[in-house]
Amino acid sequence: KAGVTQTPRYLIKTRGQQVTLSCSPISGHRSVSWYQQTPGQGLQFLFEYFSETQRNKGNFPGRFSGRQFSNSRSEMNVSTLELGDSALYLCASSLVGGLAGFETQYFGPGTRLLVL
Amino acid sequence: AQTVTQSQPEMSVQEAETVTLSCTYDTSESNYYLFWYKQPPSRQMILVIRQEAYKQQNATENRFSVNFQKAAKSFSLKISDSQLGDTAMYFCAFMTTGANNLFFGTGTRLTVIP
Repeated sequence: KAGVTQTPRYLIKTRGQQVTLSCSPISGHRSVSWYQQTPGQGLQFLFEYFSETQRNKGNFPGRFSGRQFSNSRSEMNVSTLELGDSALYLCASSLVGGLAGFETQYFGPGTRLLVL
Repeated sequence: AQTVTQSQPEMSVQEAETVTLSCTYDTSESNYYLFWYKQPPSRQMILVIRQEAYKQQNATENRFSVNFQKAAKSFSLKISDSQLGDTAMYFCAFMTTGANNLFFGTGTRLTVIP
């Protein structure tokens, strides 16, 4: 099976712009989670989607949003970019997000976003 | 709130030797899951090993094993016969049952010296 894929792998944006990142989960996986990784804050949970619905949300401002499509692919959007949004954004997928018991999240390679 | 603490920012080990990475966590939950993930320079997060809190037996995956002490809220990772490919950041992570989000520690940078 193909792993989790994320596009694009690298992005450079300027302050005030918006950006959309994409994540395709492992085939058959219906849960997609997003994480932000920065040197200062480490790895932080953004949100999780299952069956096109946001189930969990981390402590991030409303500028960070996401959605999931019927094929389980997910996108996250960051509006009005700030310098502090520069980070590696990781997407992870799992079968049903723990609804059937213990599950593991499998990560994609990440999208590195640089805000200038 | 769940917190995960990795007190060793950096460690090194000679090739073929054994190294143990420490992790402690804090939670009021009684059932949860614990993980060790590895992030090599490529930045791809790779699952190393996982443990369900209700299982008393420590998990083992080839050269990797854990020492899970539930009462002490400790979850250390032992890497035996260290290989150059083990050089990476290692993250300890925690997940409560019913919520599909991971809480990560700050990581331990492991360098395997030839």
